[in-house]
Amino acid sequence: QSVLTQPPSVSGAPGQRVTISCTGRTSNLGAGFDVHWYQQLPGKAPKLLIYGSKNRPSGVPDRFSGSKSGTSASLVITGLQAEDEAVYSCQSYDGALNGNWVFGGGTKLIVL
Amino acid sequence: DVQLVDAGGGLVRPGGSRTLSCVVSGFSLNSSRMSWVRQAPGKGLEWVACISGSRGYMYYTESVKGRFTISRDSAKNSVSLHMSSLRAEDSATYFCVRENATAHGSFDAWGQGTTVTVSS
Repeated sequence: QSVLTQPPSVSGAPGQRVTISCTGRTSNLGAGFDVHWYQQLPGKAPKLLIYGSKNRPSGVPDRFSGSKSGTSASLVITGLQAEDEAVYSCQSYDGALNGNWVFGGGTKLIVL
Repeated sequence: DVQLVDAGGGLVRPGGSRTLSCVVSGFSLNSSRMSWVRQAPGKGLEWVACISGSRGYMYYTESVKGRFTISRDSAKNSVSLHMSSLRAEDSATYFCVRENATAHGSFDAWGQGTTVTVSS
């Protein structure tokens, strides 16, 4: 059972917009800690997609955006493309777990 | 370019030990906090341990405390994870990661992963 809760899967057709949610607690997202998002293609290591809730590293398309409010965060992907099919995971810090980073269980994005 | 190369995985008997290594290039371990993150087959990511850049403070997730030890050798540009008293539930792909303080502490660089299987 992951500390951060994500839906197991979401789907969308090419060109559409999808939203992936990440729900936390008062000890992590609700305490003001940042959320980060990672994209993991099949058989590959995760790749940083969004950091500090809404910032994109160099090279990440602006089709990807993030937001955070209270104990929840969201990753939005617009103009869906076939190569976006991957697992997306959120991450934050939990102040109740003594030095622990926590992750969501990951959401499989299926491009129809 | 920043690069992390993980190695050391393999098949281990329950109760056995294994040491994973991560050789880095393109940055200094003395100024970066490094972690190990694992992923069991078909499961989500789980943070395991970290070692701070400047003073080498170590932190562990509860399930590995007393069994795993993270260390670093700055001269060899390497980070290690010594795992002992291994259990079936430790079976996973282990990733070495760099924490970027200027990117809000996100994990901005990952090794390719090395797989540990604990089985008799």
